[in-house]
Amino acid sequence: NAGVTQTPKFQVLKTGQSMTLQCAQDMNHNSMYWYRQDPGMGLRLIYYSASEGTTDKGEVPNGYNVSRLNKREFSLRLESAAPSQTSVYFCASSDSGGGPRPYGYTFGSGTRLTVV
Amino acid sequence: KNEVEQSPQNLTAQEGEFITINCSYSVGISALHWLQQHPGGGIVSLFMLSSGKKKHGRLIATINIQEKHSSLHITASHPRDSAVYICAARRGTSGSRLTFGEGTQLTVNP
Repeated sequence: NAGVTQTPKFQVLKTGQSMTLQCAQDMNHNSMYWYRQDPGMGLRLIYYSASEGTTDKGEVPNGYNVSRLNKREFSLRLESAAPSQTSVYFCASSDSGGGPRPYGYTFGSGTRLTVV
Repeated sequence: KNEVEQSPQNLTAQEGEFITINCSYSVGISALHWLQQHPGGGIVSLFMLSSGKKKHGRLIATINIQEKHSSLHITASHPRDSAVYICAARRGTSGSRLTFGEGTQLTVNP
């Protein structure tokens, strides 16, 4: 099925551990995003990649790194997890123009991360 | 003050009622998105609009650019409409970044 695939769905980490969240889309979208969602705060942008080969910081980039591996894949890495990074993480992609649904967003199913 | 604000935060309705969720934004935008997040957590894009009105089934979205206001209407509401509805403003075209409201939790009782 076409869409955004995000793994893992659930993860528990100890403080200081590292992990990588994987995201892949098969819609040939140019732009990809990582968001975190916390109660009472809505979705906040961590990093985004407007096109293959570029990445930029969003609102809350501290403690995270990203890699746009190719047009399909955009990964998010936590080098040294902290309890403040407990959240639900969403990957998303969008067509930045020219496609059948320009600027329409598609979201992954989310990763629920707990840092203890 | 958030750049994108929604009201109400919580809404409970009886099946069949007409529902309105409001979104106000304080910045210039190129488009406004309405999203639906189900209890399982998945997020689905409902509408993207930059002017006027769009309709899909029982859902209607309107936007007034001059007043910086958008509404999402649900006609003949059903318990399966229970979800969090999120509006998000897109500013410009660079990277298609969105600024999100906090969401409206809708519960439709049978």
